[in-house]
Amino acid sequence: DQQVKQNSPSLSVQEGRISILNCDYTNSMFDYFLWYKKYPAEGPTFLISISSIKDKNEDGRFTVFLNKSAKHLSLHIVPSQPGDSAVYFCAASRINNYQLIWGAGTKLIIKP
Amino acid sequence: DTGVSQDPRHKITKRGQNVTFRCDPISEHNRLYWYRQTLGQGPEFLTYFQNEAQLEKSRLLSDRFSAERPKGSFSTLEIQRTEQGDSAMYLCASSLDGDQNIQYFGAGTRLSVL
Repeated sequence: DQQVKQNSPSLSVQEGRISILNCDYTNSMFDYFLWYKKYPAEGPTFLISISSIKDKNEDGRFTVFLNKSAKHLSLHIVPSQPGDSAVYFCAASRINNYQLIWGAGTKLIIKP
Repeated sequence: DTGVSQDPRHKITKRGQNVTFRCDPISEHNRLYWYRQTLGQGPEFLTYFQNEAQLEKSRLLSDRFSAERPKGSFSTLEIQRTEQGDSAMYLCASSLDGDQNIQYFGAGTRLSVL
């Protein structure tokens, strides 16, 4: 039962353009969502998060949008840079529950 | 380096052997988590400690798995009688009360069971 889904295993974007990574979830009890970035041979690194009481959170080049009615969130990276090439994971958690439920990840490749 | 550290980074063992992994969290973090990740998948929650108390265990954590955090600092994850299906990356994370649920991860221990 995949509660968090990232349907695109990979995404290729030209340097300088916008990268949009998508994530869908099924559990309406999720109230907090996080994006992590992972380079090879490293652990996931926290990128940005959003609470269910918001629909947008921005941090520099990274913006996360949350559409609760559609149970969908997206991560926008503008402009995309070569160092953004990594695997991006979407994760979710429920109220008063500390375990993170993860998607399978999307590998982002930024082309020069 | 004040991040989460895990030891060893790689472990190769024969089926049936016992293995133990160690995790040192960020020093002021009171919460510690273990996850398992297989190729092409996101991490899967195994267990969670608040200080020294193990508060939650996944059904993935069979009787062969045990985790401890004896003094509320470092943690160990032991797998007894390893099976080939145990081959995976074992990730440790830590977090701080009041920091929402942002978890900081170590680089993981890659286990290969032959």
